[in-house]
Amino acid sequence: GENVEQHPSTLSVQEGDSAVIKCTYSDSASNYFPWYKQELGKGPQLIIDIRSNVGEKKDQRIAVTLNKTAKHFSLHITETQPEDSAVYFCAASITSGTYKYIFGTGTRLKVLA
Amino acid sequence: ETGVTQSPTHLIKTRGQQVTLRCSSQSGHNTVSWYQQALGQGPQFIFQYYREEENGRGNFPPRFSGLQFPNYSSELNVNALELDDSALYLCASSLPGLQETQYFGPGTRLLVL
Repeated sequence: GENVEQHPSTLSVQEGDSAVIKCTYSDSASNYFPWYKQELGKGPQLIIDIRSNVGEKKDQRIAVTLNKTAKHFSLHITETQPEDSAVYFCAASITSGTYKYIFGTGTRLKVLA
Repeated sequence: ETGVTQSPTHLIKTRGQQVTLRCSSQSGHNTVSWYQQALGQGPQFIFQYYREEENGRGNFPPRFSGLQFPNYSSELNVNALELDDSALYLCASSLPGLQETQYFGPGTRLLVL
């Protein structure tokens, strides 16, 4: 069935360092890949997304890359700050019919000051 | 803040009871999706509503049901509650023509005893 694997499950970095989170999806029909940040007690917040016709997208300190052939996509956060500490989820979706997300299992990022 | 609101924020029920959770979508958003997020896991798709009709369902039993109203707000009903139904229930809304981009509310934390 449809599945999204996400690694690592936990990640600790020093403030100012970069963080990379990787996801692999199983459904080759997937063509939309959002990333969400979830802070304690809150709902997921969309931070960046990428469509399958694009290989890379950047928004300030955050970037996402997509390798459709390998069915991999990754989140890159540069110059990490303590407020980046949260749980990050990747998801895969097909942009037709039912727009349901298949989520990864999450990565708990800790940025150490 | 996404503009998606959910009520109540928390509630406690006992096994066998029924519960109704509510979601008000962001203004202009006509698609609402519901997800169940167990502790430490990624959200799991329950179902989606578009223009008051169910538009796809995940792997959840029929005791999970929903409604969408003409103002696009939505309800999730769960009958015959089980202990495993304890979770954070999230709703997400999307704009017409951009249904793949979903904006989540803060969630309702349900505890079944």
